[in-house]
Amino acid sequence: NAGVTQTPKFQVLKTGQSMTLQCAQDMNHEYMSWYRQDPGMGLRLIHYSVGAGITDQGEVPNGYNVSRSTTEDFPLRLLSAAPSQTSVYFCASSYSPGRANYGYTFGSGTRLTVV
Amino acid sequence: DAKTTQPNSMESNEEEPVHLPCNHSTISGTDYIHWYRQLPSQGPEYVIHGLTSNVNNRMASLAIAEDRKSSTLILHRATLRDAAVYYCIPYQGAQKLVFGQGTRLTINP
Repeated sequence: NAGVTQTPKFQVLKTGQSMTLQCAQDMNHEYMSWYRQDPGMGLRLIHYSVGAGITDQGEVPNGYNVSRSTTEDFPLRLLSAAPSQTSVYFCASSYSPGRANYGYTFGSGTRLTVV
Repeated sequence: DAKTTQPNSMESNEEEPVHLPCNHSTISGTDYIHWYRQLPSQGPEYVIHGLTSNVNNRMASLAIAEDRKSSTLILHRATLRDAAVYYCIPYQGAQKLVFGQGTRLTINP
């Protein structure tokens, strides 16, 4: 049981390049989310999904696209990288819907630098 | 979204109890109170959650005020590994897990 796996762990992009950050979970969780964390700051929600084929925007969605074709995978696409997108990106997944919830499991993060 | 207020930082000694406070005076009556922590260079980790009653698990205890406007995360016997940023989050469901700035906890040997 690997939990939430994020790849790559580190990436350097040039301004204007595009790339996809991968996130996969093997816990059959319905809910998945993407967060970014800038240096010294808290996490901000980018996009989230409540199941295959269903996605929605979080606090800071601009410049990012997501899709959810399977329960296991939730990739995050940067369309045209900008220096302002330099950050650490975390993917998270959760099983229980509703407010009770039983905790989100987070991946170890992807550290992205845009030059 | 409910607003939370946590101290920016706290310091404690190893093997002593730690009480981390959180004010959430605008919390909705049906929002659970979640706590997460983030160790250095790692993703956040779920700690505990509760609604009205005090809760215990292997990691910590959660004490919730009767009016639900505040809560306290209790680490009964801190270790060096407990040094982290602790986030108190009123959870509305629907994937709205919104992080604030949290409390940076330092544990002295």
